Amino acid sequence: SQTIHQWPATLVQPVGSPLSLECTVEGTSNPNLYWYRQAAGRGLQLLFYSVGIGQISSEVPQNLSASRPQDRQFILSSKKLLLSDSGFYLCARKGVGETQYFGPGTRLLVL
Amino acid sequence: AQSVTQPDIHITVSEGASLELRCNYSYGATPYLFWYVQSPGQGLQLLLKYFSGDTLVQGIKGFEAEFKRSQSSFNLRKPSVHWSDAAEYFCAVGAGNTDKLIFGTGTRLQVFP
Repeated sequence: SQTIHQWPATLVQPVGSPLSLECTVEGTSNPNLYWYRQAAGRGLQLLFYSVGIGQISSEVPQNLSASRPQDRQFILSSKKLLLSDSGFYLCARKGVGETQYFGPGTRLLVL
Repeated sequence: AQSVTQPDIHITVSEGASLELRCNYSYGATPYLFWYVQSPGQGLQLLLKYFSGDTLVQGIKGFEAEFKRSQSSFNLRKPSVHWSDAAEYFCAVGAGNTDKLIFGTGTRLQVFP
């Protein structure tokens, strides 16, 4: 089966600290991968997507960056967190057609 | 540009009542359409999807949705709601060969016993 893991599940970080969120996918090779953010009470905002190793497309200018060092690994990073980076971060992979399947998410609170 | 509208931000129903969540989309060609459900603190789970063919689509958990091209709608329905259906529901449209989805802003469903 195809499974998406996200780590950590919850993170509390001070403003100005670095960030690294990890997404790993099992059971499929070379999937399109996506990072979304959900701010409290709001919908999904696509942050980055990747069609392969080292290939990253950014959807919105921001304080975050993404990398894909391995086929099944997608990492979301920041050098210095802002309060506005708080939210729920979701990783997704592309399936048949344009279906996307989501991981369990990481809740980030920046204080 | 493609867009998705979910006009109802919050819906409250009694357990056992029927449910219809509205979704309207804007897209020039035949869209790929999806409904997802999100329980608090969880990721999104795919309920059902429409690519082509029969316009009435059956999904998991007893949900169905009907694609109506003339109304640019893809409403989600369930004949009898259970308390465990309380969650946020998102409609999405495939953004035409871009490998991206456009999501609506979601409808929060509350179920009273």
